[in-house]
Amino acid sequence: KAGVTQTPRYLIKTRGQQVTLSCSPISGHRSVSWYQQTPGQGLQFLFEYFSETQRNKGNFPGRFSGRQFSNSRSEMNVSTLELGDSALYLCASSVYRGPTDTQYFGPGTRLTVL
Amino acid sequence: GIQVEQSPPDLILQEGANSTLRCNFSDSVNNLQWFHQNPWGQLINLFYIPSGTKQNGRLSATTVATERYSLLYISSSQTTDSGVYFCAVPNPQGGSEKLVFGKGTKLTVNP
Repeated sequence: KAGVTQTPRYLIKTRGQQVTLSCSPISGHRSVSWYQQTPGQGLQFLFEYFSETQRNKGNFPGRFSGRQFSNSRSEMNVSTLELGDSALYLCASSVYRGPTDTQYFGPGTRLTVL
Repeated sequence: GIQVEQSPPDLILQEGANSTLRCNFSDSVNNLQWFHQNPWGQLINLFYIPSGTKQNGRLSATTVATERYSLLYISSSQTTDSGVYFCAVPNPQGGSEKLVFGKGTKLTVNP
């Protein structure tokens, strides 16, 4: 079974631009979560989607948004990029059994904002 | 929300040595995962271990849920074990965080 895939793997943008990242979960997984990893803040939860609905959201500004499609693939969008948005963005999928489900992570998208 | 603390923050070993990484959490949990982040950034699942002990080759993990800690043991370490090890637990209040991560233990195994 294929793992979680994320595209693109690397991205360079300039301040003020917007960016869209994509995540394809493991087949049969219905929950997709997004995390941001920076050297200063570590791994922080962005949001979770299940059945095309946002279930949980972390403490991030409204510039960060996402969506999930009927095939469980998910996209996240960051508008009006800031230098501080430079980070590794990780996507994780799970079957969804609530808090006890196992999360499987993709390889990440490394975003650099200049 | 729940607090997750990992120790030590950094660990340097010679190949062949054994090590123990610790994860403390501030509230009751029904799920705990250990991950290894490789040099390319991917988080690799090591263990799903809400309680008890599990072993997988040279790695084993023990979680004592009643005392709110988990340990990851690495025996006969190899250079390929280098990387950052994270533990993560869900927010027990079902709040806004799917998984709460510790800050990680950076392991360097020298040949």
